[in-house]
Amino acid sequence: SQQGEEDPQALSIQEGENATMNCSYKTSINNLQWYRQNSGRGLVHLILIRSNEREKHSGRLRVTLDTSKKSSSLLITASRAADTASYFCATDSSSGGYQKVTFGTGTKLQVIP
Amino acid sequence: NAGVMQNPRHLVRRRGQEARLRCSPMKGHSHVYWYRQLPEEGLKFMVYLQKENIIDESGMPKERFSAEFPKEGPSILRIQQVVRGDSAAYFCASSPPGTVYNEQFFGPGTRLTVL
Repeated sequence: SQQGEEDPQALSIQEGENATMNCSYKTSINNLQWYRQNSGRGLVHLILIRSNEREKHSGRLRVTLDTSKKSSSLLITASRAADTASYFCATDSSSGGYQKVTFGTGTKLQVIP
Repeated sequence: NAGVMQNPRHLVRRRGQEARLRCSPMKGHSHVYWYRQLPEEGLKFMVYLQKENIIDESGMPKERFSAEFPKEGPSILRIQQVVRGDSAAYFCASSPPGTVYNEQFFGPGTRLTVL
């Protein structure tokens, strides 16, 4: 099964509202990353948060990490129509001497103008 | 510095044919990863390679799929005798040497359609 599970699977909001997506994972991690994927396109790296960090900001993005609950959230503030995309969390865990990234199932975000 | 390049972007094959997908990592990157994404799903890890070495192929189907990353040239993901279930987007990612943290840079993907 997937290491990361995003919640909700789909989210539809009005432009200007905030969007919150959650990710839960099962095993211990070194870091957690969030990616965006526009329809039919490749993935764009958004932000990385290390296991010893609790919160990180980048522009309109805010990521939190709770290792005790094995969960992370991605908050997009003041959403724009251009934020419409699928968002994936990816956990980075040690495996066989190298780090292995495992992707979650994704949240499909629609921002309505 | 060009990003990760994949070609072709779209590939159509009939059942039983072979599909070859190419990935050129970013300059200076020696780690390559292949992922498969089925429609409406997340990315599933397939294989992790370094130059001339397969490090982890735990996500590769046991038959018909193979990958290589030669000393010179791009990484190749090869699917023999394709079936309809192989239709998916195949993404390649690369990362620089070192294992402290490896942000992976993704290519645009190859969309394989098997008729």
